[in-house]
Amino acid sequence: EAGVTQFPSHSVIEKGQTVTLRCDPISGHDNLYWYRRVMGKEIKFLLHFVKESKQDESGMPNNRFLAERTGGTYSTLKVQPAELEDSGVYFCASSPRVGDGYTFGSGTRLTVV
Amino acid sequence: DQQVKQNSPSLSVQEGRISILNCDYTNSMFDYFLWYKKYPAEGPTFLISISSIKDKNEDGRFTVFLNKSAKHLSLHIVPSQPGDSAVYFCAAYLRGGADGLTFGKGTHLIIQP
Repeated sequence: EAGVTQFPSHSVIEKGQTVTLRCDPISGHDNLYWYRRVMGKEIKFLLHFVKESKQDESGMPNNRFLAERTGGTYSTLKVQPAELEDSGVYFCASSPRVGDGYTFGSGTRLTVV
Repeated sequence: DQQVKQNSPSLSVQEGRISILNCDYTNSMFDYFLWYKKYPAEGPTFLISISSIKDKNEDGRFTVFLNKSAKHLSLHIVPSQPGDSAVYFCAAYLRGGADGLTFGKGTHLIIQP
């Protein structure tokens, strides 16, 4: 079984630019989560999809972040415009049920300069 | 207002000995706790979990202990092996609350030969 795939693995962009991160969950996993880890800090929850619906987006930092999951398959997380404090590693995870059974992707390391 | 705390950024243990990783939490409503292991450039991997109705869960070399009155949990690894060198994250979940896991900052475990 293929794992959770994230693309790109690294991205370096200038402040003010737009970046789109992509996550392909494990096939059949209805639950998809986005998390972020800023350097040296804890991994923080951003949002949760059940199929194509946003179930919980309480962790999204602000309206510069937009997540979508069209068709309930892959998901994208767009940051527009990017700010310096958005730098960090963005993890995606999927699970067959809420709360546990997570499989994480390897993450996208975003650097805003 | 960090709700899950791992106060030791790093821990060094000799191969073959016991590794004990600690985690404290402040929200008494958490009802499920998990430990994740993370290697560099990879996503976190699920290791072991425990429900708040239990005080111990064991899986091979890994045992998690939960002390609800002290709001403390610990992960014991016996015996420690070189492949155990990684960053270990404690996470907590509140069923019926926000859908995401609340993570600690992690403890870097180094197993010395």
